[in-house]
Amino acid sequence: GAGVSQSPSNKVTEKGKDVELRCDPISGHTALYWYRQSLGQGLEFLIYFQGNSAPDKSGLPSDRFSAERTGGSVSTLTIQRTQQEDSAVYLCASSFSSGGGETQYFGPGTRLLVL
Amino acid sequence: QKEVEQNSGPLSVPEGAIASLNCTYSDRGSQSFFWYRQYSGKSPELIMSIYSNGDKEDGRFTAQLNKASQYVSLLIRDSQPSDSATYLCAVIGPAGNNRKLIWGLGTSLGVNP
Repeated sequence: GAGVSQSPSNKVTEKGKDVELRCDPISGHTALYWYRQSLGQGLEFLIYFQGNSAPDKSGLPSDRFSAERTGGSVSTLTIQRTQQEDSAVYLCASSFSSGGGETQYFGPGTRLLVL
Repeated sequence: QKEVEQNSGPLSVPEGAIASLNCTYSDRGSQSFFWYRQYSGKSPELIMSIYSNGDKEDGRFTAQLNKASQYVSLLIRDSQPSDSATYLCAVIGPAGNNRKLIWGLGTSLGVNP
């Protein structure tokens, strides 16, 4: 694949429903990040997977948020019992650490709207 | 103090001028530094990375790193309206934090024709 892909590109859901967002990183990339970006705001770090290490979950805003990365590749971000304040663009990025630097490549994002 | 700080702007420059974007970071142990550009409604894309003190040039873009003063800057020469975007500074955090990128909130740049 050419780049990071995310699905769905847009998701509209009702308050209280669960949603799953998917990220396919670039093949061979060991690191995967999830971010959230509200309109006009900066990137909010959510979670970071690096190889086989335990994920850094320090950015998850509540226990309604969880993420998995299966087989070191595809990742799913799950939001349970969605709230209106969860509405944002959810961005996934992957990188391959080499020589002291990590260039992150971003997917196109999933635009989530909670009604 | 935030770990990576940028002026939010907006920074406005006339077409053809030099745009100067600045970023400071708090941890002296930081190792790698990146500038990303984000157009409205789009995902961030890498412009430049820099790892050593000094200047690094790529076309109209020059990144400058000063580890002693803990700042990194991006100069855009001959600014074009197509350069209008938000510019994000990102820093690899200190050793031991699992090499996580730390992001600034971005500076909004407008280039006026």
